[in-house]
Amino acid sequence: DSGVTQTPKHLITATGQRVTLRCSPRSGDLSVYWYQQSLDQGLQFLIQYYNGEERAKGNILERFSAQQFPDLHSELNLSSLELGDSALYFCASSPTQVVYNSPLHFGNGTRLTVT
Amino acid sequence: AQKITQTQPGMFVQEKEAVTLDCTYDTSDPSYGLFWYKQPSSGEMIFLIYQGSYDQQNATEGRYSLNFQKARKSANLVISASQLGDSAMYFCAMRGPNPYSGGGADGLTFGKGTHLIIQP
Repeated sequence: DSGVTQTPKHLITATGQRVTLRCSPRSGDLSVYWYQQSLDQGLQFLIQYYNGEERAKGNILERFSAQQFPDLHSELNLSSLELGDSALYFCASSPTQVVYNSPLHFGNGTRLTVT
Repeated sequence: AQKITQTQPGMFVQEKEAVTLDCTYDTSDPSYGLFWYKQPSSGEMIFLIYQGSYDQQNATEGRYSLNFQKARKSANLVISASQLGDSAMYFCAMRGPNPYSGGGADGLTFGKGTHLIIQP
C-alpha cells in the first residue's frame, strides 16, 4: 500500500459530461502530481501542486482543471468529456518540492471510461 | 530536457531465469535519480528500486538490482530468479532537481515501458 488514496476506482460516463477525481496524498507529503495513462500516449504528466499552489503544468487540456485543498487532498476535474479522454488517471505524491532521490508514490488510479 | 528510452516493448522469459530490462536516459543535470516501477495487470504503479546519480554502488532490493553505467547513461533493471508474479509492465523513470528539466517541475519522466511475460 503506497498510502496514496484515489477515488473512485472506476468511472463510466457519457461524452459531454463532467467528472471529478479525488486524491489523498500520503501523510506528510506536500506535492501532488496527476498523470494520465493511455495506450497510445503512455504516461503523461498533467499537473503538479505543492502545498496548495500550482507548481507545474504538463499536457493538460483546457477542459481539465485541478486544485489542492488546505488539507492537501487534490481533485482533478474533467469536463466536456470525449471518447479520447478514456484512460487511467494516477495521482502521486512526494514529501518535498525538489528532492530528486525520493520516488513518487502512486495511488491505484481511477479508470475512466467515456462512452 | 530529460528523456528515457526503453527499447524492448515486450519480453518473454522462462520462469526462474534472470531478466534484464534495458533503460537509457538523457539529461543535462549532474544530479538526478533513476527509478523503476512495476505495473501489473491490475493497474497500480509499484515503486521497485532507486539509483542516484552520485551513488557509487549499484542499487539492490531483494531480487531486483539496477545495473547503473553512468558513462553510457544506462540504468538496466535486473530481476533474478524470475517468478510468474513478475509478469507486468515495467517503467524506467528519472527525476532531476531542475524544475524545468521535464516531467513536470520535479516530477518523473517515464519511458514507454517493457511488457514482461514470465512463462512457466
